[in-house]
Amino acid sequence: AQKITQTQPGMFVQEKEAVTLDCTYDTSDPSYGLFWYKQPSSGEMIFLIYQGSYDQQNATEGRYSLNFQKARKSANLVISASQLGDSAMYFCAMREGNAGNNRKLIWGLGTSLAVNP
Amino acid sequence: NAGVTQTPKFRILKIGQSMTLQCTQDMNHNYMYWYRQDPGMGLKLIYYSVGAGITDKGEVPNGYNVSRSTTEDFPLRLELAAPSQTSVYFCASSTWTGRDTEAFFGQGTRLTVV
Repeated sequence: AQKITQTQPGMFVQEKEAVTLDCTYDTSDPSYGLFWYKQPSSGEMIFLIYQGSYDQQNATEGRYSLNFQKARKSANLVISASQLGDSAMYFCAMREGNAGNNRKLIWGLGTSLAVNP
Repeated sequence: NAGVTQTPKFRILKIGQSMTLQCTQDMNHNYMYWYRQDPGMGLKLIYYSVGAGITDKGEVPNGYNVSRSTTEDFPLRLELAAPSQTSVYFCASSTWTGRDTEAFFGQGTRLTVV
């Protein structure tokens, strides 16, 4: 079974609008961390935002926010005021277990976002 | 501020050849990783290391070997290259500060085996 599921292979959004990219995860471990990365067409992996399983508040980083719904095991990325430069692949990833001992990430298949002018 | 440096950026190998993908980080990170990314897919972990002298297998280790003689370097060796190893390879590093931190990635190596 997939540990990280991104159900939207491709998404379109109009410039300046907000968009939500879905991510659901599967773990029985109470300690875990969730990451979102952006991969532009140039290929590099760029860290966007992080949410820890014990964090009380949803994470925010500039135009990026994470809609963390623990009971539903979802960690959706919200991009506000989309820009043309946001067109890229977006990956959700999870680290399970005690972060001091296990730093491995499990990755989703990604969502391709296209921002239309 | 170099971060994680991978070489080469591109390489074409013939079936059966061998090569080493180099990875160096200058952030004094204990943890280092090698991933492969096949077209339209997420990343799969090949090998990882939690510190100098310590390596372990990830999800897809067959056909690869690694070593970690120093904190900075984590080379990936491909022996007897096969077409199934055509992929983009990413090296990454991270650290533990008492809480989660993100992994920093190299630019990737696009490998084609023909």
